[in-house]
Amino acid sequence: EAGVAQSPRYKIIEKRQSVAFWCNPISGHATLYWYQQILGQGPKLLIQFQNNGVVDDSQLPKDRFSAERLKGVDSTLKIQPAKLEDSAVYLCASSLGQGYGETQYFGPGTRLLVL
Amino acid sequence: AQSVTQPDIHITVSEGASLELRCNYSYGATPYLFWYVQSPGQGLQLLLKYFSGDTLVQGIKGFEAEFKRSQSSFNLRKPSVHWSDAAEYFCAVLGTSGSARQLTFGSGTQLTVLP
Repeated sequence: EAGVAQSPRYKIIEKRQSVAFWCNPISGHATLYWYQQILGQGPKLLIQFQNNGVVDDSQLPKDRFSAERLKGVDSTLKIQPAKLEDSAVYLCASSLGQGYGETQYFGPGTRLLVL
Repeated sequence: AQSVTQPDIHITVSEGASLELRCNYSYGATPYLFWYVQSPGQGLQLLLKYFSGDTLVQGIKGFEAEFKRSQSSFNLRKPSVHWSDAAEYFCAVLGTSGSARQLTFGSGTQLTVLP
């Protein structure tokens, strides 16, 4: 079974530029998550989708971050404009559903450096 | 709101020695608890999870964890550490945020294994 795919793996941009990350979840997984992991910290949930609808985006900085999940499969996370403090690893995860018994499977992440 | 504390930022053990990583959680209801491992450049891999029942949970790679409600703890153990276990370990609790179920992670414990 293929895992969660993410691209690009690394990205370096200057502040005020825009950047986009892509995620392809495990086939058949209805729930998709984007996390931000700052160096030295645990992952923090940014947004959660159930199929193509947003379930929770309470921790997404909506003035600069946006995310969509077209057709309930792939997802993109965009930052515009980027700030220095956005330097982090952005992890995508997916699960079959939202139930308490569901395991989240993580992709390898995209490491973003904002200069 | 739920929270997770991992008191040890960094632990060093010799190969073959036993290991215990500490995790304390705060959650008002019955907790659903997880341990994940993250190797350099990799996403998070689930080691084990606790939902209910037996408080001693067995996971992959020879790891186990014990849920102690009275101490609000879910410590991870391994009787004999291998060099390949060097990685960062994250404890997490599944809680709620509005209508969504959300994983909250601790800040992680970095494990170094000496030959």
